[in-house]
Formats: sequence, C-alpha cells, structure tokens
Amino acid sequence: RKEVEQDPGPFNVPEGATVAFNCTYSNSASQSFFWYRQDCRKEPKLLMSVYSSGNEDGRFTAQLNRASQYISLLIRDSKLSDSATYLCVVNSKTSYDKVIFGPGTSLSVIP
Amino acid sequence: DAGVIQSPRHEVTEMGQEVTLRCKPISGHNSLFWYRQTMMRGLELLIYFNNNVPIDDSGMPEDRFSAKMPNASFSTLKIQPSEPRDSAVYFCASSLLSGDTEAFFGQGTRLTVV
Repeated sequence: RKEVEQDPGPFNVPEGATVAFNCTYSNSASQSFFWYRQDCRKEPKLLMSVYSSGNEDGRFTAQLNRASQYISLLIRDSKLSDSATYLCVVNSKTSYDKVIFGPGTSLSVIP
Repeated sequence: DAGVIQSPRHEVTEMGQEVTLRCKPISGHNSLFWYRQTMMRGLELLIYFNNNVPIDDSGMPEDRFSAKMPNASFSTLKIQPSEPRDSAVYFCASSLLSGDTEAFFGQGTRLTVV
C-alpha cells in the first residue's frame, strides 16, 4: 500500500461547482498535513496546511480525520484558475521527517 | 530572497554520462529535500538533509545516485552513469525548520537521457 493515496481523477467540473478531493495515509504516526497545488510544468506550491480542527481559507476548506487517517479538500465556487493538480502531503514522521507527496488529483474547471 | 535556485533548468545527456544537478536553498532554511517527478510515479522523495546532514536517503534509487550538501547554501545530486529511465524532472525544496513547515520548491531540472 502506498503511504499516501488520492482520488485518481481527473475531475472536470463547470465553473461555480463545488468539488472535493480525498486523501488517505498509512502511517498513523504522521503529524503534519498539507495540500499543495501544482500547475502544468511548474513546481508545487503550498495551498494550505491542514489542522486537526479543520481550517478554511476563502473558498478552500481542509479537513483531517486522524481516526480514519483521511484528509479532504473542498473547493467551493470553482474558478477557471483553480485548474491544476492538487497534491496531498504528509509528514510521515517517525524519528525523522519524511515528507511524502500523494500522486495528485487533476482538476479542470470548464467555462 | 530569490527562492530556491536550481541549475540547469534543462539537461539532455547521453546514456552513460555523468549528470550533476545543483540546488541553492533559501538562506536560513535548514531542511533540504530532493524529489524526482515522472508521470508514472509522481513525486518521489529521494533524500532529505537537515543541517547539511543526510537524514533519510532510502528513496535514492540505486548506487548510481548520490547527493551531497557541503554547506548550508549548496547541494548536488549526481547520477553516474545515467540511464534513459532516469529521465524525469528533479526538484529541490527547502524548508525553514523541518518537514512540519512549508517546503519551497525550485523550478526543477528537466533531465532527458538519450
């Protein structure tokens, strides 16, 4: 089993739609969680950290369920500019940091 | 700050040649990561340095790959000899404290081995 798994996608949604991405991780000792965004042929960039209580940043909401080892990202009112690949990232820390990226989910927002 | 700087941006080399990729992390960051990205395997962590010391190199594919960080402002990833299956985008990333803080990526080196 891979350490971090995501919905394979791709997701093709119309502008204004709400879309949700799911991610699961295998190491129950993982401590830090993030969502990164990667545009085509660009480097990944941090979208938002994921906190235990859940957190929101504008149209983006991240949730963490430690019991189920599950992370989610919700995007409301999708914009064309949201088209990208979304990467779930877990610091699968044991005695040292091990920052693992999921395979990513591709999103295309269609006019 | 200019961000994480990688060179070269593109590299085309023949099979069997030595390839050296370079990375300058953001000043003051003490964690550095090398990743490889392909369509088939996504982003794979190759090696992680903390305070210039290699902490985890379990992701390095084989002995042909080696990485060094001689000081806080410079790291190299070397492939010798290179093979066509090494073709990928190689990213370097640095973070301020550890894997618990945001990782800033360089623009990557697109390596093609023919």
